[in-house]
Amino acid sequence: NAGVTQTPKFRVLKTGQSMTLLCAQDMNHEYMYWYRQDPGMGLRLIHYSVGEGTTAKGEVPDGYNVSRLKKQNFLLGLESAAPSQTSVYFCASSYPRDNTGELFFGEGSRLTVL
Amino acid sequence: RKEVEQDPGPFNVPEGATVAFNCTYSNSASQSFFWYRQDCRKEPKLLMSVYSSGNEDGRFTAQLNRASQYISLLIRDSKLSDSATYLCVVSSYNTDKLIFGTGTRLQVFP
Repeated sequence: NAGVTQTPKFRVLKTGQSMTLLCAQDMNHEYMYWYRQDPGMGLRLIHYSVGEGTTAKGEVPDGYNVSRLKKQNFLLGLESAAPSQTSVYFCASSYPRDNTGELFFGEGSRLTVL
Repeated sequence: RKEVEQDPGPFNVPEGATVAFNCTYSNSASQSFFWYRQDCRKEPKLLMSVYSSGNEDGRFTAQLNRASQYISLLIRDSKLSDSATYLCVVSSYNTDKLIFGTGTRLQVFP
């Protein structure tokens, strides 16, 4: 049981390049999330999804797009990377919010934009 | 004002000490409260939920004060392995989004 898996774990981009982060979960969770974590800022929600085929904006969605074509996968795209997007990105999944509220996180993806 | 505020620390304590962290939240409609633990360069993991009546899990005790809008985490008999960042997390009623504090760093030394 792998839980939540993120790929890639590390990436260096040049300004203006595009990339996609993949998140996969094998727990049959309905909800999936993308967060970014920056020093002194805590975890901030970028986008989230409450089910296959649905997505919604979080706190800091600008510059990112997402897709949830399959229940187990949640993709985060950067169309034109900027240095301000240098961060650690965490994907998480959970059951609907009627239980412990526990989020299961992936190990994180460290992105540097030069 | 941030929705969830924590003292960043670090709190440096010797093994065996008792240490407490507070966290304040600004939204009075917040309904669910949690403490997560994050080890250096690792992902956050749920430590415990915080119930209105307070709850205990081994050496860890969490309490909620709705009137003053803060939650607390008490760690007794600190271990070296408790060294980590502790994240305070709150959510509002009927939303699917959790708001994370910036975390309080704890360093336990021998």
